[in-house]
Amino acid sequence: DIQMTQSPSTLSASVGDRVTITCRASQSISSWLAWYQQKPGKAPKLLIYKASTLESGVPSKFSGSGYGTEFTLTISSLQPDDFVTYYCQQYNTNPWTFGQGTKVEIK
Amino acid sequence: EVQLVESGGGLVQPGRSLRLSCAASGFNLDDYGMHWVRQAPGNGLEWVSSIFWNGNSVDYADSVRGRFTISRDNAKKFLFLQMNSLRAEDTALYYCVKETLYKRGLFDSWGQGTLVIVSS
Repeated sequence: DIQMTQSPSTLSASVGDRVTITCRASQSISSWLAWYQQKPGKAPKLLIYKASTLESGVPSKFSGSGYGTEFTLTISSLQPDDFVTYYCQQYNTNPWTFGQGTKVEIK
Repeated sequence: EVQLVESGGGLVQPGRSLRLSCAASGFNLDDYGMHWVRQAPGNGLEWVSSIFWNGNSVDYADSVRGRFTISRDNAKKFLFLQMNSLRAEDTALYYCVKETLYKRGLFDSWGQGTLVIVSS
């Protein structure tokens, strides 16, 4: 199975900050990497797929990059609604696997 | 609008069975692969099982293979997960998830989940 490792597990930031979350795969997954946002008590929501393609309706303050085994999610100008948990997921190989999540909290 | 509504969760004793259902609307269910993904309380996401659009191919996580069975009824627009020999570690919120047309394993719509608690 492909292991997905996110860092950091918790990120403390302030409103207006620009933050970056890293996701590493245990083997190459090409660009088959997605990012999801999960708000408390809600289902995950797809933000980015194919490493850098924004899902329809997702604001452009979210951006993704990477290829192979290392990927990043960047959120520019954090707003109160963005202080939630983010997951990466590889869909290169079954079983489809997720990172452990990164919680973005208010500093 | 895509809607996925899960039901069937509850409190069940270890070793017993439970059947989850997912009612799909707002899209042509028979065009899409479907999945179950679970989330243990306070934990991350774990893919559980998937089924091709026509039901001809299914996959399972190692943790549930041999105990869980995924199925679908495209005519009635339902997805199911039969869970047997339940264990405490199966306790989780179970999400019904739709995958995209263009790449297997990419999840673009999620239900709100149904909670399964396995405890004596």
